[in-house]
Amino acid sequence: DVKVTQSSRYLVKRTGEKVFLECVQDMDHENMFWYRQDPGLGLRLIYFSYDVKMKEKGDIPEGYSVSREKKERFSLILESASTNQTSMYLCASMNNPGANVLTFGAGSRLTVL
Amino acid sequence: QKEVEQNSGPLSVPEGAIASLNCTYSDRGSQSFFWYRQYSGKSPELIMFIYSNGDKEDGRFTAQLNKASQYVSLLIRDSQPSDSATYLCAVSGGMNTGFQKLVFGTGTRLLVSP
Repeated sequence: DVKVTQSSRYLVKRTGEKVFLECVQDMDHENMFWYRQDPGLGLRLIYFSYDVKMKEKGDIPEGYSVSREKKERFSLILESASTNQTSMYLCASMNNPGANVLTFGAGSRLTVL
Repeated sequence: QKEVEQNSGPLSVPEGAIASLNCTYSDRGSQSFFWYRQYSGKSPELIMFIYSNGDKEDGRFTAQLNKASQYVSLLIRDSQPSDSATYLCAVSGGMNTGFQKLVFGTGTRLLVSP
């Protein structure tokens, strides 16, 4: 089974801090994704990457950046955290080519004070 | 109009009953359709996917797709209290959006009472 591992389960940061959320997958998938999930808004795509060093903006990229230096690792960066970025962040990996099935990590719950 | 719409619920059914969860989508070019289950505090996990019109069965779960009506549903037979969760419908983007990009509904909360 694909395993997607997110480095931090819970984080508490202060406004203005730089935040790194890391995600690693172990199945050699090309496509990786970062979503955030908020009550009533569902899952919204922040960024995705279809290859090393390649990235595309999702629906809500403002305030975020990403890095994909190695195939297995996809990092989400909040350059200057704000309180409205308090959320659950979900990393996912997608099989390729194939059924376009997303496998999610356990999630990182970020609180920005 | 939201791209993927689901009734937020909660949908309450007694143990042993059939639960019917529904989803509509707006992009006619969408090719792949998914149902994920999410327990409180956990991440979504895949239940089923379907590509073709008609029904697809897997154990107690049946996914139904009607592309003409832009409608996908999930039936859960013999519902169990352990099925109580939020069910997320996800739809792949069409040619303009990109097939790798899944758009999620906000989910339907299912409660199965013993």
